Amino acid sequence: GQNIDQPTEMTATEGAIVQINCTYQTSGFNGLFWYQQHAGEAPTFLSYNVLDGLEEKGRFSSFLSRSKGYSYLLLKELQMKDSASYLCAVKSPYTNAGKSTFGDGTTLTVKP
Amino acid sequence: DTAVSQTPKYLVTQMGNDKSIKCEQNLGHDTMYWYKQDSKKFLKIMFSYNNKELIINETVPNRFSPKSPDKAHLNLHINSLELGDSAVYFCASSLTSEDSEQYFGPGTRLTVT
Repeated sequence: GQNIDQPTEMTATEGAIVQINCTYQTSGFNGLFWYQQHAGEAPTFLSYNVLDGLEEKGRFSSFLSRSKGYSYLLLKELQMKDSASYLCAVKSPYTNAGKSTFGDGTTLTVKP
Repeated sequence: DTAVSQTPKYLVTQMGNDKSIKCEQNLGHDTMYWYKQDSKKFLKIMFSYNNKELIINETVPNRFSPKSPDKAHLNLHINSLELGDSAVYFCASSLTSEDSEQYFGPGTRLTVT
């Protein structure tokens, strides 16, 4: 089975740094994704980790530890527009395709 | 220039009706998906097609039937709509079934009354 845990809500201040954690227990692992979803909009791709370590992309970084079943998304220099839901998703082997299972998402509120 | 488009954007209908949602992608991707996002924002995969072939079929009632006339289109037909079907349905595509990044359509908000 698949089990993905994220905090439900987080609040941070504009200009600060916030870390959103994701832990997973899945049958098989082919990579972990982070998506951003603003209210009323579609999810948009942020990052993909398949090997252990940190992937940096501008203000956003994503970390993965496969042995610990753990990932985090790090957002630096927070801006008001970063207020959104952040979805962690794990890709697992599924017959001849990869299937992504999403966590419930973390709603981040950035305050002035 | 829309990459993944869905129609309609909003759909309000009564219980028992049959309705369809259409999805098209102009990215040249091989793989398309249907997701359901409920009121608690939980995003769950329903189906996936790769080059018109069904490759993922989650535990979804038989009332839901996907159809892929070609690899750029994936439609979702729902029979005998129920109150619990109310949700936002997202279509998505990826370059291949193994590819990491999925591109999502704008979503179709279905309300069953």
